Amino acid sequence: QSALTQPASVSGSPGQSITISCTGTNSDVGSSTYVAWYQQHPGKAPKLIIYEVTNRPSGVSDRFSGSKSGNTASLTISGLQPEDEAQYFCSSYSTTNAPYVFGSGTTVTVL
Amino acid sequence: QFHLLQSGSEVKRPGASVKVSCKVSGYSLSELPMHWVRQTPGKGLEWVGGFDRVQGDRRHAQKLQGKITMTEDTSTDTAYLDLRSLTSEDTAVYYCAIPRGGSFPIWGQGTLVTVSS
Repeated sequence: QSALTQPASVSGSPGQSITISCTGTNSDVGSSTYVAWYQQHPGKAPKLIIYEVTNRPSGVSDRFSGSKSGNTASLTISGLQPEDEAQYFCSSYSTTNAPYVFGSGTTVTVL
Repeated sequence: QFHLLQSGSEVKRPGASVKVSCKVSGYSLSELPMHWVRQTPGKGLEWVGGFDRVQGDRRHAQKLQGKITMTEDTSTDTAYLDLRSLTSEDTAVYYCAIPRGGSFPIWGQGTLVTVSS
């Protein structure tokens, strides 16, 4: 069982905006500025798209944005495009035994 | 920019051991905090362990106590993950990854380890 809870799937039509939630606890998301999001296409390694809650690495589209409120972090994809169809994982630094915890993953489908 | 190149897929019997390698190109392994993350079929990601060069210690997931060993050969810039007493629950894609600022911007391509009788 993953440490962080995400919805199993989210879908949207091209051009729409969708939001993926990531719920943790006071030991990870709620107390950490190190919340990240990854995009993973089938057969590929995860790709970092958001770090430190809101920051985008160089080269990542500004259609991806991150936020956090309490123990829940969120990833918003604006202007949904077919190439956004992938699995998305959140992660957080944690004060428990494992320093890095991950979410269960959300499959994004572009209708 | 540097890259991580992992060894190929492995198929092992239950109870066996496996050694996964991760070669760094374009940088010196001795200056990198190498970590390992695994992904079980159809499931999420799980941090396996890693080397914190600032603290000077290796840490690993508590559930893998006594099961894994992480080593390095700095002369070849190659990191290794040893897994022993394999069970079906160890079937996963194992990634080496470099953390920076609480996230992992650099990943290897992954190594599939299948444990099957």
